[in-house]
Amino acid sequence: GENVEQHPSTLSVQEGDSAVIKCTYSDSASNYFPWYKQELGKRPQLIIDIRSNVGEKKDQRIAVTLNKTAKHFSLHITETQPEDSAVYFCAAREETGTASKLTFGTGTRLQVTL
Amino acid sequence: EPEVTQTPSHQVTQMGQEVILRCVPISNHLYFYWYRQILGQKVEFLVSFYNNEISEKSEIFDDQFSVERPDGSNFTLKIRSTKLEDSAMYFCASSPAAGAGSNEQFFGPGTRLTVL
Repeated sequence: GENVEQHPSTLSVQEGDSAVIKCTYSDSASNYFPWYKQELGKRPQLIIDIRSNVGEKKDQRIAVTLNKTAKHFSLHITETQPEDSAVYFCAAREETGTASKLTFGTGTRLQVTL
Repeated sequence: EPEVTQTPSHQVTQMGQEVILRCVPISNHLYFYWYRQILGQKVEFLVSFYNNEISEKSEIFDDQFSVERPDGSNFTLKIRSTKLEDSAMYFCASSPAAGAGSNEQFFGPGTRLTVL
């Protein structure tokens, strides 16, 4: 089955700096890669996703890159703000046309300091 | 904006008791999921459900677990005889369809299950 590794487990940056979180996956059949943000005690919320037919996607301060050959994808947050502080999870999924599961990474706790 | 809802928000039970966790998926969604998250750990898949039957289940989802869609709105997870290691946050999720472009899984707020 799919296995998703995520690094680093914790990341502390100063406000205004960039943050990068990296994930690798094992199953070459995976073709959908979402990123979820989870604030303390709250539900995971999708912040950006990418499919395997594109290499990069950007939404304001957030971008995701995908390298299918190397089976890794990364989340980039620019101009970080204190409200970006949360746990971020990457995930992978094979879009099969059925109710296929998300396999999550182990999470990165991002702390944005003033 | 419609959201997935879950009840209760926190359930405390004694080991060996049965619990039912309830979810109301977003109304036009067709695919339903349960995940769990042990404190401080990653979110783990339990089961997916479509067209009134289980699509896929993980090795965690053993005979003690069952799911049901008893009516047109609710989606339930039952644990027949709870164990200490079942203590976790349980998230329900739903998605509108399975094809590209409609694949996002929307998560509920979770039910924190504590087994004593």
